[in-house]
Amino acid sequence: ELKVEQNPLFLSMQEGKNYTIYCNYSTTSDRLYWYRQDPGKSLESLFVLLSNGAVKQEGRLMASLDTKARLSTLHITAAVHDLSATYFCAVDEGSNYKLTFGKGTLLTVNP
Amino acid sequence: EAQVTQNPRYLITVTGKKLTVTCSQNMNHEYMSWYRQDPGLGLRQIYYSMNVEVTDKGDVPEGYKVSRKEKRNFPLILESPSPNQTSLYFCASSRGWGAMYYEQYFGPGTRLTVT
Repeated sequence: ELKVEQNPLFLSMQEGKNYTIYCNYSTTSDRLYWYRQDPGKSLESLFVLLSNGAVKQEGRLMASLDTKARLSTLHITAAVHDLSATYFCAVDEGSNYKLTFGKGTLLTVNP
Repeated sequence: EAQVTQNPRYLITVTGKKLTVTCSQNMNHEYMSWYRQDPGLGLRQIYYSMNVEVTDKGDVPEGYKVSRKEKRNFPLILESPSPNQTSLYFCASSRGWGAMYYEQYFGPGTRLTVT
C-alpha cells in the first residue's frame, strides 16, 4: 500500500525566510503533484512533476522530484503572508486509479 | 468555462436521513472520483468511476454509494448517514487515468455535518 508522508505538518515562519516542505512516498512513481488549499476552499494545483529530476518554479515556490529517493520537496523562498495555506503532495501510482495524498502541511507566514 | 460543480455546498442533516451530493462536470471527462477530507488525514478516495456504468471502491467506501448513469454526473449517496461521515467532500474529474498523465480537476467541496 502506497504511503505518502509530509513533514513538517505545521510550519510557522517569518516573512522573508526560506524553508522546505518534504514529501516522501513508499513506492515507485514518477507522477507527483503539489496542491494548495486555503481554508474552506478547494484544491488549487501548483505543480505537476512527471519525471525524475523534474523541477518546476512559480514565483516564490519551487518543487522538485527525486524518484530514486522517492522524495519531493517544495521550497519556499522569501516567504510572504499570502503564502499562508495548507500544502498537499499527492502521488499517482498509475495503476490504482487514485491520488494518494499526504496529510498536508499547514503553513503560517507571520509578518 | 471548464468546471466541476457540487451541490449542495453545505449541508447539515440528522443521522439516518438519506442524502445525495451531486457532482457534475462539463468537460466530457471519463474519469470521476469522490474524496473525503478530514483533519490530519489528508484526502482519501471513496469511489471512482472510469466511465458510464463503471464504478469501483476506493479506500473508504463503507456507508457510501455512487452511480454513473451519465458521463457528466457522478452523485454520492449516503443511504443512512452517521456522525462519522461528517467531513468535507470533493469530487474530481479527468480525461482518463492510466499510463498517461491527465490533469485532475477538483470541485469546490461540500461540507457535510451529520448530527
